[in-house]
Amino acid sequence: AQSVTQLDSQVPVFEEAPVELRCNYSSSVSVYLFWYVQYPNQGLQLLLKYLSGSTLVKGINGFEAEFNKSQTSFHLRKPSVHISDTAEYFCAVSDPDNYGQNFVFGPGTRLSVLP
Amino acid sequence: DAGVTQSPTHLIKTRGQQVTLRCSPKSGHDTVSWYQQALGQGPQFIFQYYEEEERQRGNFPDRFSGHQFPNYSSELNVNALLLGDSALYLCASSLGEGTDEQFFGPGTRLTVL
Repeated sequence: AQSVTQLDSQVPVFEEAPVELRCNYSSSVSVYLFWYVQYPNQGLQLLLKYLSGSTLVKGINGFEAEFNKSQTSFHLRKPSVHISDTAEYFCAVSDPDNYGQNFVFGPGTRLSVLP
Repeated sequence: DAGVTQSPTHLIKTRGQQVTLRCSPKSGHDTVSWYQQALGQGPQFIFQYYEEEERQRGNFPDRFSGHQFPNYSSELNVNALLLGDSALYLCASSLGEGTDEQFFGPGTRLTVL
């Protein structure tokens, strides 16, 4: 079974500083990868996704992620964060070759942007 | 274009009771998945419905059941509630298998006392 690891449960960072949120997955087969953001008391919003093609994926709100197959990683980055980026970030994986296979989420990383 | 909607927003129940949560998928979507998100954790897959049938199920007991209607909306039912069932229940919709993207609703916060 697939699993997703987000090593950092909390990441504090000052406003306008760069940030990287780490995600590693266990599957060695082809995968789809996603980053979702969850603001307090809200559902999940898709930031970006990797399905195929270029390993550098750009998403909304200035976020980007790089797929590294050899390291089974999909780290999320932003060059300059804002206070409004404070939220919970979830990495997720799905298996495109497994009919009906659903998303497996990581435990989440809480990003706190400090003034 | 309405996104995924869920009702109710919040719900308080006592142990042993039964609860029904509702979800309407994004326009054009035919598949609904349900997730349980306990406090401080990532969402856990409960089950997925497609063409009014349960297509896949996660590691949840039979107390959790569901239904999908012809208009693709869905219900999640939980019987004999336990304190540990307290969580945010998220509904996600997709087209077909949905392995390339799922759209999430705002969730229903269930508190079991």
